[in-house]
Amino acid sequence: AQTVTQSQPEMSVQEAETVTLSCTYDTSESNYYLFWYKQPPSRQMILVIRQEAYKQQNATENRFSVNFQKAAKSFSLKISDSQLGDTAMYFCAFGGYALNFGKGTSLLVTP
Amino acid sequence: SQTIHQWPATLVQPVGSPLSLECTVEGTSNPNLYWYRQAAGRGLQLLFYSVGIGQISSEVPQNLSASRPQDRQFILSSKKLLLSDSGFYLCAWSPGVAGVVSETQYFGPGTRLLVL
Repeated sequence: AQTVTQSQPEMSVQEAETVTLSCTYDTSESNYYLFWYKQPPSRQMILVIRQEAYKQQNATENRFSVNFQKAAKSFSLKISDSQLGDTAMYFCAFGGYALNFGKGTSLLVTP
Repeated sequence: SQTIHQWPATLVQPVGSPLSLECTVEGTSNPNLYWYRQAAGRGLQLLFYSVGIGQISSEVPQNLSASRPQDRQFILSSKKLLLSDSGFYLCAWSPGVAGVVSETQYFGPGTRLLVL
């Protein structure tokens, strides 16, 4: 079975600081994709960043970057220069046809 | 650009009543389509996905069914709602070519369903 684990149910960070959200997954596949989605209070799921498993280079998207460790099956998200608008639930997801989601990490950015 | 619509945005239904949620995608052809459910305080659970008209795969046996009558239309239905069907329902699409596995999924705004 393919599983995604986010071990941090809640996190808090001050504005302008850096925070890292953890995610581990389990799969026997060799080719797959990994994602981080953000769900603000509106509950719209918004893609934050994507990583292809065959790429060794870590993906970056403005203030968001990932640390992808394929052998360890780890996929963490780093948010630099945190902003109040980053407050949201963050979901790690893994898969191909169908995405397997973790249970999410609630991130609160404080002034 | 591509857009995805869902309606209704909010729905309150009595137990035992039927359900029909609709999802449509604009600006693309042959998308892969998905229905997810998110229970309160939990992650997303894939319910159905479709790689083409009339092609539906069910991930979780339950009280719900899905149909894809047109290329860019995906419908979630139930004949008789249960209390446990309450939740937030999200439709998503991804670029697809004749069943080829794709990657990034883009989500609609969702439907809040409350069954009383």
